[in-house]
Order: sequence, then structure tokens, then C-alpha cells
Amino acid sequence: AQTVTQSQPEMSVQEAETVTLSCTYDTSESDYYLFWYKQPPSRQMILVIRQEAYKQQNATENRFSVNFQKAAKSFSLKISDSQLGDAAMYFCAYNYAGNQFYFGTGTSLTVIP
Amino acid sequence: SQTIHQWPATLVQPVGSPLSLECTVEGTSNPNLYWYRQAAGRGLQLLFYSVGIGQISSEVPQNLSASRPQDRQFILSSKKLLLSDSGFYLCASPKGGYNSPLHFGNGTRLTVT
Repeated sequence: AQTVTQSQPEMSVQEAETVTLSCTYDTSESDYYLFWYKQPPSRQMILVIRQEAYKQQNATENRFSVNFQKAAKSFSLKISDSQLGDAAMYFCAYNYAGNQFYFGTGTSLTVIP
Repeated sequence: SQTIHQWPATLVQPVGSPLSLECTVEGTSNPNLYWYRQAAGRGLQLLFYSVGIGQISSEVPQNLSASRPQDRQFILSSKKLLLSDSGFYLCASPKGGYNSPLHFGNGTRLTVT
């Protein structure tokens, strides 16, 4: 099975500041997809951003952007201008061949007012 | 648009009792379906996935089983629950076509006492 590693169990950021969450993955494939999901206290899983491995350009969604380093198998999430509503658990996920989705263990983000 | 229904939302069951969690998907046909478990303070563990009626792939050997009796119905079962089965169970399906991001139901919180 593929593995997805999130080495930061907890992170904190001051409101309006920028924070970067780390994710690495292990794969022998060249064409795959990576995702970041947010899980607020309601526990609903919300898609934050998606990256196709064949695209060199880093994905961006408003205040959320990724730094995708394919050779290093690294996929970090940057949250700019952090808001209180960004406080949540964040999961990195990997998908290959449309069937199997694998998730990391998550990073709990605290936003300090 | 696709909607994923899970029930019950909360369940408390004694050790050794049976389990049946149901997931149904609306707004799509022949979806890939997934069961994940999230133990307290941990990431999402892929339990089962299905690419069609009667087709189940198991990721983790355990006392849980899954069935897909209808195209848009996915059931997670156990004959005898263990304390370690406690957790948050999520049903998911790709929202869109091949390699689309997973869309999740609201989950079932299972406590085994």
C-alpha cells in the first residue's frame, strides 16, 4: 500500500499570519493525484485543494496554495492570512488509478487570535 | 449533485454485539464507494472499497466486513464488535469522474462499551 506521512501532529499560527503544513508520500507511479482535506470540529471532511502530478504548476485556491515537489515526493499546504475558521484537522491524501485513496495521520491546526 | 447518506449518526454498542452501518449515494450511478475509519486522534484508515455491485476489496484484515447489495448502497458489518472497533466511520465516493476528489458522508460515531 502507498504511504502518506504528515510529520507535524500539531501546528499553531497567529491570526492573519501564514502557516505551512507538510506532507510526504511514497509511490513508484508517475501519474497520480494529491489532495488536502480539512476536518473542522463538525468532523465533516472538506476538500481544500487538489494537485495533479503531471502538472508542474502548483495549485492555488484563494488563501490556500501548495508546494508540490514531485522528485522529493513532497506536497505541503500553505495557508495565508490565517483565519479563526481555518482551525481544523488537515489531512493530506494520495490517489492513484482512481480507486485507492490513502490519507496521512493529519495535522491539527490551531489559530491564535 | 451527489449526496452521501450515512446512518446512524451515533451508535453505542456493547462488546460482542453485531454491527450494521449503511451508506447510500444519490445523484450518481455505479460509483466507487469507500469505508474509512478514524480512531480517536488518528488519521483515516481505508477499510474497504468497492467498484461495483458485489465487488469488495479489503485493505485491513479484521472482524469487519462490507457488502454492496445495490449499485448505490454500501454496508459495513460485524458479527461481534470489539472495543477496538470504536471510532468514526466515514463513507465516501468520488464526486465526478475518474480520479475525482472523494466526497464524504457525515459519518457515524461508534462507541463500543
